[in-house]
Amino acid sequence: GQSLEQPSEVTAVEGAIVQINCTYQTSGFYGLSWYQQHDGGAPTFLSYNALDGLEETGRFSSFLSRSDSYGYLLLQELQMKDSASYFCAFEDTGRRALTFGSGTRLQVQP
Amino acid sequence: SQTIHQWPATLVQPVGSPLSLECTVEGTSNPNLYWYRQAAGRGLQLLFYSVGIGQISSEVPQNLSASRPQDRQFILSSKKLLLSDSGFYLCARHGAVTGELFFGEGSRLTVL
Repeated sequence: GQSLEQPSEVTAVEGAIVQINCTYQTSGFYGLSWYQQHDGGAPTFLSYNALDGLEETGRFSSFLSRSDSYGYLLLQELQMKDSASYFCAFEDTGRRALTFGSGTRLQVQP
Repeated sequence: SQTIHQWPATLVQPVGSPLSLECTVEGTSNPNLYWYRQAAGRGLQLLFYSVGIGQISSEVPQNLSASRPQDRQFILSSKKLLLSDSGFYLCARHGAVTGELFFGEGSRLTVL
């Protein structure tokens, strides 16, 4: 079957670095995406990894290892506004739609 | 700009009543369109997706249906709502990058 697993909650302090892990299972796979969702809002796209390795976009980086069916989102220099839920997702080769993980709620403390 | 409009933003409906949620997309032609549902504190569940007018793929068999009468319009409907239909309904379109979705602001449905 198709599934993604990520921790339900992560807590970190302002200015720190936090890593949110995602493991996935699928028979066919284009790449791994990450989304951010603030309470009451819609998800917004953060990053996409099609190839193995690290992709950096400002304070956020995302990593993919296809051989390990594993990826992570790295947030640096945490700010209070980074408190949100983060979702990993993939688009498999069987259909033109994203399957989402259950989300990781990040709480940034002062 | 490419914008997704959803309405209504919030609604409260009694069990057994009908439902119609509308989504329109601006600034792009022939987009792939999606309906997702999110229960409180949970992930996003794909309900339907459409690659063109009249083309609907259903992911979850239930009392909901979807239609795409026009290229940029996607409608989610139900003839009789259940309590379990409560949730945050999100319309989305595919972006330029594989794995990228743009979401509308969502419609929050409470069934009582």
